[in-house]
Amino acid sequence: QSVLTQPPSVSGAPGQRVTISCTGSSSNIGAGYDVNWYQQLPGTAPKLLIYANNNRPSGVPDRFSGSKSGTSASLAITGLQAEDEADYYCQSYDNTLSTSVFGGGTKLTVL
Amino acid sequence: QLRLQESGPGLVKPSETLSLTCTVSGASISSSSYYWDWIRQPPGKGLECIGAIYSGGSTYYNPSLKSRVTIFVDTSKNQFSLKLSSVTAADTAVYYCARAATGRTDWFDPWGQGILVTVSS
Repeated sequence: QSVLTQPPSVSGAPGQRVTISCTGSSSNIGAGYDVNWYQQLPGTAPKLLIYANNNRPSGVPDRFSGSKSGTSASLAITGLQAEDEADYYCQSYDNTLSTSVFGGGTKLTVL
Repeated sequence: QLRLQESGPGLVKPSETLSLTCTVSGASISSSSYYWDWIRQPPGKGLECIGAIYSGGSTYYNPSLKSRVTIFVDTSKNQFSLKLSSVTAADTAVYYCARAATGRTDWFDPWGQGILVTVSS
């Protein structure tokens, strides 16, 4: 059971918008720690997608955006493309566990 | 361009010590103000932070693994390494090394390609 809760799967048709939620608690997201997001294509290492809640590294399309409110965060993907089909993970810090923690991951299927 | 590459045995016997090395190219470990991390992912499961070493040599370990983990750096080879002792089947995972940029929450970028380590007799 992950400290950060994500839906196991989401899906959408090409061109649509999808969101992936990441729910934490008062010891992690709710304590003011930032949230980062990673994309893991099949058989590859995770790749940083969003850092510090809503910042995109160079090279990440602006179709990807992040937000945070209270004890939760969200990743939004607009203009869905087939190449977006992957697992997505959120990550934050937990001050009770004293370590960075990840969500359980969400599998995005492009219909 | 910064690159990280994991190396080490792909098979370790139960109760023995898992040893992996991450070779960094494109930047010097000793001159960078970053943490250098180990993260693992059991097959079909999520990600778990193992620990990290700062360029100055200080270390951080996940409390759940702390009694079994050692991370150290070899600046002459621009490498950092992981030792995990008394392994069991539960330690079977893909092990990644990554650089961590520090913020209110560290973020990991880039990652190595990962190495699958299986614990089995």
